[in-house]
Parts: sequence; C-alpha cells; structure tokens
Amino acid sequence: DAGVIQSPRHEVTEMGQEVTLRCKPISGHNSLFWYRQTMMRGLELLIYFNNNVPIDDSGMPEDRFSAKMPNASFSTLKIQPSEPRDSAVYFCASSFEGRKLFFGSGTQLSVL
Amino acid sequence: QQQVKQSPQSLIVQKGGISIINCAYENTAFDYFPWYQQFPGKGPALLIAIRPDVSEKKEGRFTISFNKSAKQFSLHIMDSQPGDSATYFCAADYNAGNMLTFGGGTRLMVKP
Repeated sequence: DAGVIQSPRHEVTEMGQEVTLRCKPISGHNSLFWYRQTMMRGLELLIYFNNNVPIDDSGMPEDRFSAKMPNASFSTLKIQPSEPRDSAVYFCASSFEGRKLFFGSGTQLSVL
Repeated sequence: QQQVKQSPQSLIVQKGGISIINCAYENTAFDYFPWYQQFPGKGPALLIAIRPDVSEKKEGRFTISFNKSAKQFSLHIMDSQPGDSATYFCAADYNAGNMLTFGGGTRLMVKP
C-alpha cells in the first residue's frame, strides 16, 4: 500500500480564495482524521470520520472550514474563504479500529 | 484538562548519548500514550506506545517510562544516533485513538 496520500503537497493562494485539500486513506482503514500543524499551536485535531461519518468536528476553527468523506477512499478539507492565519501544514491520517495512526506527508498551505 | 505538556522544546545530544523527553498530563481518563517521530517534510509516524497498566516498555533503543501517580511519562533514546534527529511528539488518548491530544513537540538533534 502506498500509505495515506495527500494532494497537493504545496498550495499557495491569495486571501479570499477557496482551497481544497484532498486525502486518500489507506485501503481498509475505517477512521480518517484531519490535523493542522503550526509552530504556535502544534498538532491540532480538526475533525475525524468513522466509516465515512463525521464523528467529532469540535476542532474545526470556524464555519469557513468544512470536511467531507463521500466514500471510504476519499476525503476533502475545504477552506472558503481562506485567510492568512490559515497558513499551516494540514495532515490527513487514517487508522483501522485501533490506535495506530498513519499520517500522510501533509499539504503545506500558504495564504497570502 | 486535555492538555499534554512536553519538555524540552529542543534537545542536543552527542552521538552515543541518551536522549530524554518528558511529558505530563492532567486528564486521568487518558489510557493510551503513544510517541510519534516526525522528520522534516513528512507526517508523524508512530514510534512506540504504552498503556497505564505497565510502568515501562522497551523497543530496541527506545523506552517509554510511565509514572501513573505523577501523571508523567517519558521517552528515552539510548545510544542516540544522528539518524534519530527529528521532532518527537508525545500524545495521550481516551477514546480508542480517535481523540489524540499531542504535546508541543521536541526537536532533537544528535551531533556526530
């Protein structure tokens, strides 16, 4: 398996634009997580899905952020409109009924 | 109540030395304590984990020591190598791995 695949690896956009980050979890995993990493706040859990259903989105910073998981092999995190303070590395991770999380390589987002 | 405090923020160790990273938590409901290792440009990867029913777990050169009464746990890296240079995160969880709370991270540099 290729592991958790995220795209794009880097995204540079201007304030106000819509940004969509994509994630393909490891085949067979039934939990998917979106994390955000910044120097100031470290690793923060934004939302997690179990069997494609959002279970806890209490970490989503505000209504500008939304996440979907239309099927077991794909998830998106959307920011609309984007702001400079959204600049961070966004990680997707997946697991199978257990506690070992497998992280993707992340998307480096820069909002100018 | 959810916070996990990690120290030090950065650590420099000579090759062959022992690296020690400490974490403390408040929430007594936490029942799973993993350590993740992150190299630049990569997502975190599970290194080793412990549950509170044991006081120590060793895997190769990596050892977790756990002190339940003090609500503290630590990572020891024996015979540290330059290849161990990375950022290390402790974490804690109480919901089968679905609500990991990460420490702030420790940037380790092992000098040749």
